[in-house]
Amino acid sequence: QSALTQPPSVSGSPGQSVTISCTGTSSDVGSYNRVSWYQQPPGTAPKLMIYEVSNRPSGVPDRFSGSKSGNTASLTISGLQAADEADYYCTSYASSSTFVFGTGTKVTVL
Amino acid sequence: QVQLVQSGAEVKKAGSSVKVSCKTSGGTFSTTAINWVRQAPGQGLQWMGRIIPFLGIAEYAQNFQGRLTITADKSTTTAHMELSSLRSDDTAVYFCAREEEGYRFAYWGQGTLVTVSS
Repeated sequence: QSALTQPPSVSGSPGQSVTISCTGTSSDVGSYNRVSWYQQPPGTAPKLMIYEVSNRPSGVPDRFSGSKSGNTASLTISGLQAADEADYYCTSYASSSTFVFGTGTKVTVL
Repeated sequence: QVQLVQSGAEVKKAGSSVKVSCKTSGGTFSTTAINWVRQAPGQGLQWMGRIIPFLGIAEYAQNFQGRLTITADKSTTTAHMELSSLRSDDTAVYFCAREEEGYRFAYWGQGTLVTVSS
């Protein structure tokens, strides 16, 4: 199972919006609405930000939103803040009760 | 309040095995999958496998087939991950994560650093 493809880095100024793409195949992202997104500041465990493509857990600001089209899922961060600077990973359910992570994207707030 | 607490850091020789534990509290242990994810230094997250304690059946990523064993002890609400035939590129932080409804890894352990030396 190959890793899902994410851009290595994205950046934006405070208040701007950034979008991170996550491209898989018809065997994972394209087949299931089971895409999640995780935020990982350096040296910490990942934190769930989005699940089932576009659902936000309680406590996650509505500045974070998710979507999917075909084999590509996306995470958008609106109203970018300094606290959003971290690595972000997508993951998708694949076949036979397995999961695959994305390659990760570093978000930098300029 | 759900908590996952992992065992401490390990230093192992190449060719040996390591076993990492993940003690869970809060919520329902038996029917909720525990996943294992690792992160090599400076690298991304890699899904390794999962187990649903009630079923006792584990699923593994292809990369780890034959080297990885995931078990769960319902009596102590603890999951274990054992990786054998260790190589230097197995040096990583290993995380356990509890999978909630919606195929989401809602709760994570603090991570366990495994260092493999030659």
